[in-house]
Amino acid sequence: DTGVSQDPRHKITKRGQNVTFRCDPISEHNRLYWYRQTLGQGPEFLTYFQNEAQLEKSRLLSDRFSAERPKGSFSTLEIQRTEQGDSAMYLCASSLGGRVSGANVLTFGAGSRLTVL
Amino acid sequence: GEDVEQSLFLSVREGDSSVINCTYTDSSSTYLYWYKQEPGAGLQLLTYIFSNMDMKQDQRLTVLLNKKDKHLSLRIADTQTGDSAIYFCAEKGPSGYALNFGKGTSLLVTP
Repeated sequence: DTGVSQDPRHKITKRGQNVTFRCDPISEHNRLYWYRQTLGQGPEFLTYFQNEAQLEKSRLLSDRFSAERPKGSFSTLEIQRTEQGDSAMYLCASSLGGRVSGANVLTFGAGSRLTVL
Repeated sequence: GEDVEQSLFLSVREGDSSVINCTYTDSSSTYLYWYKQEPGAGLQLLTYIFSNMDMKQDQRLTVLLNKKDKHLSLRIADTQTGDSAIYFCAEKGPSGYALNFGKGTSLLVTP
């Protein structure tokens, strides 16, 4: 297993277009997270899945954003009608489930950079 | 992370020690983390500490936790140019699973 994979690494699109990012987590990890990172900022939480269930969504996840993890393995993040403010690095992470009181170490992918013109 | 604060920039000379500081506000945080991000890359976990510990050492890294003051620090001994990166402090969020990150401290190591 080579870690968390994200595709594409870089996407340039015009305002108003739809884009989709894919994340392949570490195979035995049942939890998957999406974060957004803009220049000079830390990662901001968007949403998280436990297996195929989307258990938490941030208020940052507007109606134009949708995330799925249909079989509890890979996940997709789609942004509809992109805006220039959506330009950011979209980071995916995964972790191995355990007790909520446990350390829950997140392993991150390299990210998908979105540029909206 | 609006609840996690870090100074934005630190410059040190190669061979010196670096100390990166962080304050957090959620007193119920059970684990606190340090991640490193190099240019164009994702975040790499450096270390984490459980809230009932005051200190954790791992090779050149020492983490100090002052739970009373909600203050966390990362000390890097014998800092090398390869340590130049952005360092993020993070705490477990309210759900207990997702992490809340600070804005990151950019460490520059000069020869």
